[in-house]
Amino acid sequence: QVQLQESGPGLVKPSETLSLTCTVSGYSISSGYYWGWIRQPPGKGLEWIGSIYHTGNTYYNPSLKSRVTISVDTSKNHFSLKLSSVTAADTAVYYCARDALFMSGGNSWGQGTLVTVSS
Amino acid sequence: QSALTQPPSASGSPGQSVTISCTGTSSDVGGYNYVSWYQQHPGKAPKLMIYEVTKRPSGVPDRFSGSKSDNTASLTVSGLQAEDEADYYCSSYAGSNIVVFGGGTKLTVL
Repeated sequence: QVQLQESGPGLVKPSETLSLTCTVSGYSISSGYYWGWIRQPPGKGLEWIGSIYHTGNTYYNPSLKSRVTISVDTSKNHFSLKLSSVTAADTAVYYCARDALFMSGGNSWGQGTLVTVSS
Repeated sequence: QSALTQPPSASGSPGQSVTISCTGTSSDVGGYNYVSWYQQHPGKAPKLMIYEVTKRPSGVPDRFSGSKSDNTASLTVSGLQAEDEADYYCSSYAGSNIVVFGGGTKLTVL
């Protein structure tokens, strides 16, 4: 049974870069699926950030594309998110997920991690 | 890409059925059979309830069903139970390797 766990700083200063890692257990990233990030500002809805295939092909939300980088390290079985030039509007619970493009039968989510942008 | 449109709230009494709609366009909901529905309880991660419009993951009760007509997808919860009270979100593949979500619907069991 696949498990996903987000990790990274819970507090980031404005204008800096938010960095998170999703460690996958119970399934090899190299075996397939699109892996991705979704966020949810406090009290608000879900927003897809982007996805990556194990080959490294990446796909981003057009509204965030200029600030987002998603990468994968198959040797460590984890993938990462970097979001640059953050503002208070980037404060959210960040989830990592498997099957994060077609959201089909393989879809599974991590528990989420709250990242607050504040000085 | 605009978010999909969901009603902010829905409600029903125990045992009743309730349907939540998710309206998009021919570029997302109407164009692909990759509509999914998620249930989210407070403080918890979303849980996949329906995928590819009508399919249920293992373990999801058959009280939950999905359908689609043109640019609108729907989630129906039959035989409402107290534990069904949660937020529900839809998502759709929108082409060009992009995903869009709905704004969410708060389901209240009266």
